Amino acid sequence: EVQLVESGGDLVQPGGSLRLSCTGSGFTFSYYEMNWVRQAPGKGLEWVSYINTGGSTIYYADSVKGRFTISRDNAENSLFLQMNSLRVEDTAIYYCARGDHGGVSEDYWGPGTLVTVSS
Amino acid sequence: DIQMTQSPSSLSASVGDRVTITCRASQTIVTYLNWYQQKPGQAPKLVIYSVSSLHNGVPSRFSGSGSGTDFTLTISSLQPEDFATYYCQQSYSKFRTFGQGTKVEIK
Repeated sequence: EVQLVESGGDLVQPGGSLRLSCTGSGFTFSYYEMNWVRQAPGKGLEWVSYINTGGSTIYYADSVKGRFTISRDNAENSLFLQMNSLRVEDTAIYYCARGDHGGVSEDYWGPGTLVTVSS
Repeated sequence: DIQMTQSPSSLSASVGDRVTITCRASQTIVTYLNWYQQKPGQAPKLVIYSVSSLHNGVPSRFSGSGSGTDFTLTISSLQPEDFATYYCQQSYSKFRTFGQGTKVEIK
């Protein structure tokens, strides 16, 4: 069974930093592209970042570019999101999502981890 | 960025009703269109990918159609477990974008 589990969410002050992790199981993690997607309270889904299987191709949404860094450790079946210079508007549930084999959808998602940015 | 616009934003329907949700892209996305279902307090789940292909375990009452810029999700006979928010998503670009969501509520 494919499973993704995020961790690392917390309450942090504006300007602070946080590192999110996502661990995959039930599939060969290194074969799959991965994404982070977030959802602010009561709002819709917003794609945040993408990383290819080897970590050599990375994309960011304009809203986080220059502040967030995506990475992965295939030996540990793990995906990461380093979040710096956090803003109130970064408050959201952060989901990791697996890209399917064809790269045409995000076929499995973790339950999410809550990041709250507030003073 | 490719903008995705869904309509309606919400709808009320009864069990057994046929429900249709539309999604429009700001430019052609060919057939790179997916639909996700999200229930309160849960992560989104893939329902349909590439316009009309059902994800594993999704019942056949769900169907999708369209190409280019205009797409449709149809639930042929709404069941109690289908009440949720549905999002369309374009995968034409790695810079994914989602529609604003359509909440399907019980009438």
